[in-house]
Amino acid sequence: AQSVTQPDIHITVSEGASLELRCNYSYGATPYLFWYVQSPGQGLQLLLKYFSGDTLVQGIKGFEAEFKRSQSSFNLRKPSVHWSDAAEYFCAVGLYNQGGKLIFGQGTELSVKP
Amino acid sequence: GAGVSQSPSNKVTEKGKDVELRCDPISGHTALYWYRQSLGQGLEFLIYFQGNSAPDKSGLPSDRFSAERTGGSVSTLTIQRTQQEDSAVYLCASSITGLEAFFGQGTRLTVV
Repeated sequence: AQSVTQPDIHITVSEGASLELRCNYSYGATPYLFWYVQSPGQGLQLLLKYFSGDTLVQGIKGFEAEFKRSQSSFNLRKPSVHWSDAAEYFCAVGLYNQGGKLIFGQGTELSVKP
Repeated sequence: GAGVSQSPSNKVTEKGKDVELRCDPISGHTALYWYRQSLGQGLEFLIYFQGNSAPDKSGLPSDRFSAERTGGSVSTLTIQRTQQEDSAVYLCASSITGLEAFFGQGTRLTVV
């Protein structure tokens, strides 16, 4: 069965420090992969996506993610975190053979220290 | 509209009552999805509509849950005889390609 694992429930980083959020997936074929961000009381905003091609993808707000097939991973990175990045981050697999419905990880809550 | 619109943004209901949640997708988006976000279960897929095809209802947790989509646009998620475990944020998303989904702000449902 398809699944997404985000091992870190909560991460705290200092403003200006680098960030890496981990995501591992289980899927029988080449996955469509997404990272979404959710601020308190808000819906989900798409940060970036991977469908095929270059395994390093750039997204909005200075985020990037790297697809590593051998590790079944799609980790999200940012070189320098800003206080406004504090939010919850969700990794997801898109099931393109099932209409594109998304299987989400449990989320990682990011706190930013001044 | 510019984005996916959901109403109401908050709903408090008594246990046993029926509720209807509304979603207005982005104009022209043929795919529409409902998800539920709750503390214990995270983000779960509920139902998916694509054009005039039969919906994929595989994620609906019980027969108290139903959804319809009229005219290929607005969708309504109905929960009958609400229970406390139905308390959650219900998120709607739409997509033009079935690949990249755009989410609404959600409806927070509280069953008391």
